[in-house]
Amino acid sequence: GENVEQHPSTLSVQEGDSAVIKCTYSDSASNYFPWYKQELGKGPQLIIDIRSNVGEKKDQRIAVTLNKTAKHFSLHITETQPEDSAVYFCAGVNTGNQFYFGTGTSLTVIP
Amino acid sequence: SAVISQKPSRDICQRGTSLTIQCQVDSQVTMMFWYRQQPGQSLTLIATANQGSEATYESGFVIDKFPISRPNLTFSTLTVSNMSPEDSSIYLCSAESNRETQYFGPGTRLLVL
Repeated sequence: GENVEQHPSTLSVQEGDSAVIKCTYSDSASNYFPWYKQELGKGPQLIIDIRSNVGEKKDQRIAVTLNKTAKHFSLHITETQPEDSAVYFCAGVNTGNQFYFGTGTSLTVIP
Repeated sequence: SAVISQKPSRDICQRGTSLTIQCQVDSQVTMMFWYRQQPGQSLTLIATANQGSEATYESGFVIDKFPISRPNLTFSTLTVSNMSPEDSSIYLCSAESNRETQYFGPGTRLLVL
């Protein structure tokens, strides 16, 4: 089955700097890659996603890039703010619509 | 998107008892899922709940321990049976509609003493 690895496990950045979280996947048939943000005491919230026919997608300060050849995708957050502090999970989704989650990245934005 | 609510939001239970968690979606969805999330860990799928059929359990999870109901297209329950301290965790329900992505509820935080 699919194996999704996520790095780093923890990340601290100064407010206003950029943050990048990377994920790799093993199943070349995976075709959908969502990213979730989980704040303390809450459930995961979908923040952006990308499908395998697209290389990059952007939504305001958040962007996701996908390299199908290398089988990796990344989340980019620019101009970080304290409210961006949370745990972020990537996921790879195969053609059977099974979700495989990464191990999470705890992002801390230092004011 | 789908808006999902869960009840209870948290509970403290005695070992040997059972707890039923309810999950309500604001629209009809084809598939619902139950996950467990240990503190500081990723999400582990317990089972997939389809309306009108038996739930499909992942390896390591059995129906006797985690019975699931799915009586209609907007509602599901997960029961954690004969609880032990090892069952202390966050239990999350999610929903998928029209083969789109999964949306999650706020979670149920369970502590078993």
